[in-house]
Amino acid sequence: AQKITQTQPGMFVQEKEAVTLDCTYDTSDQSYGLFWYKQPSSGEMIFLIYQGSYDEQNATEGRYSLNFQKARKSANLVISASQLGDSAMYFCAMREYFQGAQKLVFGQGTRLTINP
Amino acid sequence: DTGVSQDPRHKITKRGQNVTFRCDPISEHNRLYWYRQTLGQGPEFLTYFQNEAQLEKSRLLSDRFSAERPKGSFSTLEIQRTEQGDSAMYLCASSSTDLLAGGPRETQYFGPGTRLLVL
Repeated sequence: AQKITQTQPGMFVQEKEAVTLDCTYDTSDQSYGLFWYKQPSSGEMIFLIYQGSYDEQNATEGRYSLNFQKARKSANLVISASQLGDSAMYFCAMREYFQGAQKLVFGQGTRLTINP
Repeated sequence: DTGVSQDPRHKITKRGQNVTFRCDPISEHNRLYWYRQTLGQGPEFLTYFQNEAQLEKSRLLSDRFSAERPKGSFSTLEIQRTEQGDSAMYLCASSSTDLLAGGPRETQYFGPGTRLLVL
């Protein structure tokens, strides 16, 4: 079974600083996908970024980038120039295939607080 | 382009009552998922539909839980004889196997969730 580990329960960062949220994963599959979602206090899970195991380059989406180190099985999320609106829970997830479809296996999340 | 919607957003019920939640996926998405999220945890998979067929159920889904997706559109999740341990956020997500609609990574898009509190 696949497993996602997020070791930082909480992170506190000053506005405009960059922040790295850690994620390590465990899988025996050669082909897999990794996702990051943001969950504000309202509860909705907002998709941020995706990294495929065969992608040659690290994924980037605006201020979000993914530091993918395959040999170390880590997929850390980097947020550049943090903003107050970035305060939320952040979840790393891995796609697990079954019955021809996929389900997501999530980590426990990191609560990010941006201080003004 | 409307996203995934869920109704109700909040539900308070007494132990032993039945509750039903509704999820409306993104219109062109053929796959629909239910997850449960308890306080301080990441979401956990409950069940999955491809069109109207329920293809997978987690062991988390006891016999008191039932889900349907008639006609492959909206889905309902019913919990019978609720228990205090059922208190959680119930999240619905949808995705598409069509590359144009869902993209090559088949990202799951989530709704706002239904917060259930069982007293």
